[in-house]
Amino acid sequence: EVQLVESGGGLVQPGGSLRLSCAASGFTFSNYWMHWVRQAPGKGLVWVSRINSDGSSTRYADSVKGRFTISRDNAKNTLYLQMNSLRAADTAVYYCATEARNSNDAFDMWGQGTMVTVS
Amino acid sequence: QSALTQPPSASGSPGQSVTISCTGTSSDVGGYNYVSWYQQHPGKAPKLMIYDVSKRPSGVPDRFSGSKSGNTASLTVSGLQAEDEADYYCSSYAGSGPVFGTGTKVTVL
Repeated sequence: EVQLVESGGGLVQPGGSLRLSCAASGFTFSNYWMHWVRQAPGKGLVWVSRINSDGSSTRYADSVKGRFTISRDNAKNTLYLQMNSLRAADTAVYYCATEARNSNDAFDMWGQGTMVTVS
Repeated sequence: QSALTQPPSASGSPGQSVTISCTGTSSDVGGYNYVSWYQQHPGKAPKLMIYDVSKRPSGVPDRFSGSKSGNTASLTVSGLQAEDEADYYCSSYAGSGPVFGTGTKVTVL
């Protein structure tokens, strides 16, 4: 069964740090570009970051550039998001998602999300 | 990148059709044929319904269809069913990173 499972969310004070993880199973993780997408309570989806299949290329939304770092360990089938200097505006459910291999920026598999609260 | 513009709500009776618009710019929707649509039920993760403007992933009913004209993409749900009641988001490739729409809540009357 194809599965993405996020973890690492929680309550953190402004200025604090958290590291999110996304464990992948049921597919060849190392073949896929991966993304983080967040959703503030009652709000819409917002793209956060992406990393290519071997980890050599990353991109960030302007709102998190310089504060968040995306990385992956293909040997462990795990995606990470290191979040530093957290702000109240970063409060959201964070989803990891795979980019469809036959498209650009279409997300065909999603995790269940992990909640991050900055307060 | 500014969010793509969607109507806040849309509705239809069972069996009817509903169409949701998604308006961007020539830098996103109008510039590429990489528009996707996602369905999200309350408390659940989004689900890919349409990609590359009009392609359906395996398992998505053919009641869901997508199209694009200029800077505006559209999702049509035909033969509305109760389980189609959800939030729908469009998304477009935009070069430096994808941009999502503002979201539309579809109500089945």
